[in-house]
Amino acid sequence: KAGVTQTPRYLIKTRGQQVTLSCSPISGHRSVSWYQQTPGQGLQFLFEYFSETQRNKGNFPGRFSGRQFSNSRSEMNVSTLELGDSALYLCASSWRQGAVSTEAFFGQGTRLTVV
Amino acid sequence: AQSVTQLDSHVSVSEGTPVLLRCNYSSSYSPSLFWYVQHPNKGLQLLLKYTSAATLVKGINGFEAEFKKSETSFHLTKPSAHMSDAAEYFCVVSIDYGGSQGNLIFGKGTKLSVKP
Repeated sequence: KAGVTQTPRYLIKTRGQQVTLSCSPISGHRSVSWYQQTPGQGLQFLFEYFSETQRNKGNFPGRFSGRQFSNSRSEMNVSTLELGDSALYLCASSWRQGAVSTEAFFGQGTRLTVV
Repeated sequence: AQSVTQLDSHVSVSEGTPVLLRCNYSSSYSPSLFWYVQHPNKGLQLLLKYTSAATLVKGINGFEAEFKKSETSFHLTKPSAHMSDAAEYFCVVSIDYGGSQGNLIFGKGTKLSVKP
């Protein structure tokens, strides 16, 4: 069974540009969550999608957005990039039904560098 | 509000000696707590989880953790460290009541070094 796949693995962008990151969850998993990992702030929750609907959102500005498609694949978009957006972006998927879910399986992340 | 505090940013042990990674939690209801491990250039892996069943939780690779409500602690232990245990460890609490893992709050992490 394939794990969580994130593409691309590495990305370099210029300040002011926008970027789209992709996450393919484990087959059958309909919950996808995104996290930002930086040395200063650690791992922080961005948002969670389930069945194409955003369920939860972390404390990030509106420049950070996401969506989920009918096949459960998810994308996150960051517009007007800032130097502080440089981070490892991690995606996690889990099977979920109501309040019951399996463990979250994480991808290897996308390393975004903003110059 | 839910939160976790990892008391040590870095722990160094010798191979074959016990490991103790400390975590305190804050929660307005019975929490769901987890420990994750992150090896360099690898994704996060779940070590173990507590969801209000047994207070002593056994995980993978010989790790275990004990939930102590009176001390609001969830410390991770292993009797004998192995070189392959060197990694960063995260104590995590679920925001969602019921313990679903779609919305997790991570501690700042503890880097474990293992000396030969």
